[in-house]
Amino acid sequence: KQEVTQIPAALSVPEGENLVLNCSFTDSAIYNLQWFRQDPGKGLTSLLLIQSSQREQTSGRLNASLDKSSGRSTLYIAASQPGDSATYLCAVRLGSGGGADGLTFGKGTHLIIQP
Amino acid sequence: GAGVSQSPRYKVAKRGQDVALRCDPISGHVSLFWYQQALGQGPEFLTYFQNEAQLDKSGLPSDRFFAERPEGSVSTLKIQRTQQEDSAVYLCASSLVPSYNEQFFGPGTRLTVL
Repeated sequence: KQEVTQIPAALSVPEGENLVLNCSFTDSAIYNLQWFRQDPGKGLTSLLLIQSSQREQTSGRLNASLDKSSGRSTLYIAASQPGDSATYLCAVRLGSGGGADGLTFGKGTHLIIQP
Repeated sequence: GAGVSQSPRYKVAKRGQDVALRCDPISGHVSLFWYQQALGQGPEFLTYFQNEAQLDKSGLPSDRFFAERPEGSVSTLKIQRTQQEDSAVYLCASSLVPSYNEQFFGPGTRLTVL
């Protein structure tokens, strides 16, 4: 059974710092990996999607990398801002459209950016 | 609409009552997913539809949980004889085509069973 672990569980840093969130998964035969943010009482907002054949994806100040063989992904946030405060979730997908397509999530990293 | 919508946003039920939760996916999205998120945890997969076909229901925790998508658009998650352990946020997500899996999530329905 696929298991996803996120480290650290919580992180508090001053505004302006660069930071790295870590995600690991036990079954390397993934189809893709997706990073989300979740604000309190809200649904999930998709940040980045990395296909299994890709090594990284970038969007603005966010960069996500994928090392499928070692079962790891990192989310890099540059020049953090208070508005980045949220819970960040990593999720992997095994299937390619015909089943087993539900995402397996980690428990998330709760991030606080201090003004 | 522009995004995935869910209703009701909040539901309080007495133990033993039946509840029905609705999801309106993004128009034209083929795939639809239901997840359950307990407090402080990541979402857990419940079930997956491709159009009206339920391709995977391996995550449904018991036979009290039932989902349908009869016309391939709106979906309903029904929970019979609710129990306190059913209290959670129920999230719905959709994606455009089966093989492209950027999933877009709705705001969720927070279910509290007393």
